[in-house]
Amino acid sequence: DAGVTQSPTHLIKTRGQHVTLRCSPISGHKSVSWYQQVLGQGPQFIFQYYEKEERGRGNFPDRFSARQFPNYSSELNVNALLLGDSALYLCASSSPTGGMNTEAFFGQGTRLTVV
Amino acid sequence: GQNIDQPTEMTATEGAIVQINCTYQTSGFNGLFWYQQHAGEAPTFLSYNVLDGLEEKGRFSSFLSRSKGYSYLLLKELQMKDSASYLCAVREAAGNKLTFGGGTRVLVKP
Repeated sequence: DAGVTQSPTHLIKTRGQHVTLRCSPISGHKSVSWYQQVLGQGPQFIFQYYEKEERGRGNFPDRFSARQFPNYSSELNVNALLLGDSALYLCASSSPTGGMNTEAFFGQGTRLTVV
Repeated sequence: GQNIDQPTEMTATEGAIVQINCTYQTSGFNGLFWYQQHAGEAPTFLSYNVLDGLEEKGRFSSFLSRSKGYSYLLLKELQMKDSASYLCAVREAAGNKLTFGGGTRVLVKP
């Protein structure tokens, strides 16, 4: 079975540009979360979606947005990129019931570099 | 808000035991997770504690004390491949949001 897949794996963008990152959860998983991990730090929560609805939002500016599609895949969009947005963006999916007591499975991440 | 603290770095010898501590202060609590992350790779799930006590899984064990806001991850019979970052994460009472500590980088030496 395929795990969580993210695309692209690496990306270089210029300040002010826009970026779209994509995530496909484990088959049957309906909950997708996005995290930002700056080098040397732990992941920071950005968004959670369950059944196509936003269920949680972290402390990120409005330049960050996301959505979940009917097939439960998800996109993270970042507008007006800043140098500080350079990070590893991780997508995580969790159990079919969106239940509370299940671990999150992470994808390999998208390494975004803003120059 | 939530605050999760863990040491930045630890060094240990192959075959030895290392204990990584994690303290947390949260408004809600619905479980504590430990993840392993090798450089450039995704975090992989190691353990989950929601009740007080010790959970053992092979060479890895995790302990939780909710009253003290404290957990530790114990790695026994260390192997070179255990060199990685270990992330402590707390799930809030509502939803599946995880709040992570900064991670502890463990270096295993021969």
